[in-house]
Amino acid sequence: DAGVIQSPRHEVTEMGQEVTLRCKPISGHDYLFWYRQTMMRGLELLIYFNNNVPIDDSGMPEDRFSAKMPNASFSTLKIQPSEPRDSAVYFCASSLGILAGITDTQYFGPGTRLTVL
Amino acid sequence: EDQVTQSPEALRLQEGESSSLNCSYTVSGLRGLFWYRQDPGKGPEFLFTLYSAGEEKEKERLKATLTKKESFLHITAPKPEDSATYLCAVRSAGGTSYGKLTFGQGTILTVHP
Repeated sequence: DAGVIQSPRHEVTEMGQEVTLRCKPISGHDYLFWYRQTMMRGLELLIYFNNNVPIDDSGMPEDRFSAKMPNASFSTLKIQPSEPRDSAVYFCASSLGILAGITDTQYFGPGTRLTVL
Repeated sequence: EDQVTQSPEALRLQEGESSSLNCSYTVSGLRGLFWYRQDPGKGPEFLFTLYSAGEEKEKERLKATLTKKESFLHITAPKPEDSATYLCAVRSAGGTSYGKLTFGQGTILTVHP
C-alpha cells in the first residue's frame, strides 16, 4: 500500500483566500483523522471520521474550518477565509476500525505545509 | 483532560552513548500509549504501542517501557540515523472522543558521530 496520501505538499496563499487540503487514507481503514502541527501547540487533533461520518470536531478552531469525507477513499479540509495564524503543517492519518475497546495504530501522511501571507 | 509531558525537550548524544526519553501522562483510563518518530518535513512514523503497566517492546536499538504514570524510550548505542523528534501520545477510555490521541511536545534527539 502507498500509505496515506496528501496533496498538495506545500501551499502558499494570501490572507482571505480559500484553501483546500486533500487526503486519501490507507485502503480498508475505517477512521480518518485531521491534525495540525505548530511549534507553539504541537500536534493537535482537529476532527476525525468513522466510516465517512464526522465523530468529533471539537478541535476545529472556528467556523472558517470545515472537513468532509464524501467516500471511504477521500477527505478534504477547507479553510475559508484563510488567515496568517492558520499557517502550520496539516496531517491526515488513518487507522483500522477500533473493535471492543482495543486501540489501533494511526498512520500519518506526509503532511501539507500551509503558509498564509 | 488528558495531559502528556515529555522530557527533556532536546537531547544531544554522542554515537554509542545510551540514554532514555521520558513521557509522563495523566489520563482517565489508558487505552494505549504510543511512540512515534518524526523526521524533519515528514509525518510521524509509528514505533510502539503499550497497553498496560509493565509492558515492554523493542525494535532494533529502541526499547519502550510503561508504568502507571510514565513511559520511557530507551535508546541503546544510538547512531546518527536515530536523530529525530520522538513523540509520545496517549488515548484514554473516557469521554466521547474514542479515537482521540493526545500528543506530547516531543523530544528532539541529535546523535553526533
